[in-house]
Amino acid sequence: DQQVKQNSPSLSVQEGRISILNCDYTNSMFDYFLWYKKYPAEGPTFLISISSIKDKNEDGRFTVFLNKSAKHLSLHIVPSQPGDSAVYFCAASDIGGSQGNLIFGKGTKLSVKP
Amino acid sequence: DSGVTQTPKHLITATGQRVTLRCSPRSGDLSVYWYQQSLDQGLQFLIQYYNGEERAKGNILERFSAQQFPDLHSELNLSSLELGDSALYFCASGKGGRGTDTQYFGPGTRLTVL
Repeated sequence: DQQVKQNSPSLSVQEGRISILNCDYTNSMFDYFLWYKKYPAEGPTFLISISSIKDKNEDGRFTVFLNKSAKHLSLHIVPSQPGDSAVYFCAASDIGGSQGNLIFGKGTKLSVKP
Repeated sequence: DSGVTQTPKHLITATGQRVTLRCSPRSGDLSVYWYQQSLDQGLQFLIQYYNGEERAKGNILERFSAQQFPDLHSELNLSSLELGDSALYFCASGKGGRGTDTQYFGPGTRLTVL
C-alpha cells in the first residue's frame, strides 16, 4: 500500500511556463515533506522541503505548497527551464520518530520543451 | 557532486551469488541510509545506520544485510541473489539521522542479476 503517491508518471511543459507536480499521502503521521530531483545516471538531489506547520515554502523558482487537510502537496516551478527536465520525487517522513528514513513516491518525469 | 561515494558503479552477477555494495558518507555525516529502486518503482527504504548502530529497518529481505563501520562507511551485502534483485541501490547520508535531515544521495550501484 503506497503511502506517498504521485499519480502523474509524466508531465510536459513549455519553457517559461509553470510546472506543477502533485503528490498525495495517506499517513497522517507524516509531518515533513521533501522534493528530490533526479537526472539519469545520478542519485536524487534535494530540492526543497516543508514542515507541516507551514503551508508554503519558497526557494527561488521553486515553491512547495502543503494542504494538510487534503493530505496533498505540490511543487511549482516558475518559470520552467529545459534544465529542469528530470524525474521529481516527493518524499515524506515522521519527524517525531527516532528514525530518519524517507518514504518516496514513484516519481514524475518532467519534460520542459524549448 | 553530493560527497557520497558508492562502489562499484555497475555489478553484473549470476543468480545464487553474493555481492557487497560499499558506501562512504559525506564528511561529518553520521547516518547512512540504503534504498532500492527497481524498474518503475520509487525508492524503497531498506535500512538506516546511525554512528555504527542500526536505527531503522524497512522492506529489507532476510537475504540482505548491512553494517556501518567505525570509519562510518557502510556495506550492503546481498546474498542468494535472484533475478528480482536487479535494481539500482542508492546510499544516502545525513547528519542527525532524524526526519528533518537532508539526505544526500550517492550516484548508485546498478546491480544486474543474470
